[in-house]
Amino acid sequence: DAGVIQSPRHEVTEMGQEVTLRCKPISGHDYLFWYRQTMMRGLELLIYFNNNVPIDDSGMPEDRFSAKMPNASFSTLKIQPSEPRDSAVYFCASTPGQGNYNEQFFGPGTRLTVL
Amino acid sequence: AQSVSQHNHHVILSEAASLELGCNYSYGGTVNLFWYVQYPGQHLQLLLKYFSGDPLVKGIKGFEAEFIKSKFSFNLRKPSVQWSDTAEYFCAVNAGNTPLVFGKGTRLSVIA
Repeated sequence: DAGVIQSPRHEVTEMGQEVTLRCKPISGHDYLFWYRQTMMRGLELLIYFNNNVPIDDSGMPEDRFSAKMPNASFSTLKIQPSEPRDSAVYFCASTPGQGNYNEQFFGPGTRLTVL
Repeated sequence: AQSVSQHNHHVILSEAASLELGCNYSYGGTVNLFWYVQYPGQHLQLLLKYFSGDPLVKGIKGFEAEFIKSKFSFNLRKPSVQWSDTAEYFCAVNAGNTPLVFGKGTRLSVIA
């Protein structure tokens, strides 16, 4: 298995632009998580899905952020409009079956820089 | 709400030194505990986890962690570190089927 796949690996954009981050979870995993990692706040959970349905989006910082999971093999995290304070590494992770009891498998992350 | 504290932001050790990274959590109920590691330029991966049973948990690469319920702690240890252990280490906790809460991480630098 290729593991969790994220694209792009690096994104540099200007303030106000729309940014879309993509994630392909491991096949067969029912849970998908989006995290944001910064020096100041560490690793924060933004949102997670179970069987393509958003379960908890309380970590989404504001309305500029949205996430979708149209099918079991694809999810997007969109920021519109982007701001410099959104600069961070965004990780996607997936896990099977028992959800949060299990090891989460992380993707390589997308390093976002908003100028 | 649960929270996780990792006491040390950055630890520097010489090769062969012993390692102990602190992790304390705040939650009064039954918890599941994890240590993840992030090697430079790589993604997070699981080192070890505790759900129940023996409070001394052994993980990959010679790491172990001890759950001390009375101290709300789950410290990570390794008797002799190697240069290849240079990485960032994250403690995480959840209760039942709830999302993980991660600590802010401890960066370990091992020097020759």
